[in-house]
Amino acid sequence: DADVTQTPRNRITKTGKRIMLECSQTKGHDRMYWYRQDPGLGLRLIYYSFDVKDINKGEISDGYSVSRQAQAKFSLSLESAIPNQTALYFCAAGTDYEQYFGPGTRLTVT
Amino acid sequence: GQNIDQPTEMTATEGAIVQINCTYQTSGFNGLFWYQQHAGEAPTFLSYNVLDGLEEKGRFSSFLSRSKGYSYLLLKELQMKDSASYLCAGYNTDKLIFGTGTRLQVFP
Repeated sequence: DADVTQTPRNRITKTGKRIMLECSQTKGHDRMYWYRQDPGLGLRLIYYSFDVKDINKGEISDGYSVSRQAQAKFSLSLESAIPNQTALYFCAAGTDYEQYFGPGTRLTVT
Repeated sequence: GQNIDQPTEMTATEGAIVQINCTYQTSGFNGLFWYQQHAGEAPTFLSYNVLDGLEEKGRFSSFLSRSKGYSYLLLKELQMKDSASYLCAGYNTDKLIFGTGTRLQVFP
């Protein structure tokens, strides 16, 4: 079983639409993260959470919001999608020193 | 600043040894991490260094010099399956800061 799962795996949406990406983990990790990956820019942190009541902005949080519904679930929302949010999105869960990544969601905003 | 620099691309031959360097400019990193990412897949954890020195894990070793802001990942006995991107990341208090990655191509 995969420790971290993401849904959907692929999504095409139109500019201005609201979209939610979901992430679940099965190992009981307190820490969860959302990243986006763009060619040439590497992985950039969007938001992270250390428990249900703790949400922190990463380096590129503008245009995104998150919800930690339970220890195992951490969702990322784009309130009004724009084309430059086209990217590969990864969720991760883990500890101080090791993060386990989900398989990624490829999002295209047209 | 928290810039992390690593070469964009490297090539090597099957069976050889390759060293991927990573330099950083920050006083806030509490550890240096290496992840492997095959094309289209999720990054997977390889190793980390908190203290100066060499950490060995099978064919992979990682080295850290905090005073020099320098780390490297050493891959021995290269195999074709080692063709991937290798991501260097610094741990800053409560999060990882990733470099842009080094794409390694292994040729027969």
